[in-house]
Amino acid sequence: AQSVTQLDSQVPVFEEAPVELRCNYSSSVSVYLFWYVQYPNQGLQLLLKYLSGSTLVKGINGFEAEFNKSQTSFHLRKPSVHISDTAEYFCAVCPSDSNYQLIWGAGTKLIIKP
Amino acid sequence: GAGVSQSPRYKVAKRGQDVALRCDPISGHVSLFWYQQALGQGPEFLTYFQNEAQLDKSGLPSDRFFAERPEGSVSTLKIQRTQQEDSAVYLCASSQPKRQGGTEAFFGQGTRLTVV
Repeated sequence: AQSVTQLDSQVPVFEEAPVELRCNYSSSVSVYLFWYVQYPNQGLQLLLKYLSGSTLVKGINGFEAEFNKSQTSFHLRKPSVHISDTAEYFCAVCPSDSNYQLIWGAGTKLIIKP
Repeated sequence: GAGVSQSPRYKVAKRGQDVALRCDPISGHVSLFWYQQALGQGPEFLTYFQNEAQLDKSGLPSDRFFAERPEGSVSTLKIQRTQQEDSAVYLCASSQPKRQGGTEAFFGQGTRLTVV
């Protein structure tokens, strides 16, 4: 079985400051990893994904994430946040032996302070 | 359409009432998923269709939940005799399956169901 932990339910950060949203997972099989973003009153949108290859993955809106297999982590980072990044961010994994089922973390609300 | 469309956006049901939630996936997408998202939680998998075939319904919480996709496009999630614990946002997503996992799923805005 797989599980995903997002330790921080909320992360407040000042505008133009860097941010890191943490995601750890556990799995008995290899996994594919995803970050989704949910802006207020909108559906979930894919930010980035790791399937294989380089462990540093770049996504939309200046976000990037690094897969660390030994620490079973996939933390999301942005060097300088903008007010428009205010949203909820979800980490998810898909077991490699399943081509569809996503297991989700509980989400992290990113709160940008002006 | 351009994206996944769900209706209604909001539904208030009295306990015991039956509800039907609709999902219009992206045209041509073979795969369709339903998720349930409780307040403050991430989405939880309910069921998966490939075309009209329901390949996985392991996440449906009880036999009061039923989903169908009779023509391989629009899907309906039906909840019979709704209970307060059914209150949640119901998300629909569609995608094109790939041999390798990691297919991007496109999500609708969800239907917020409140059972009173």
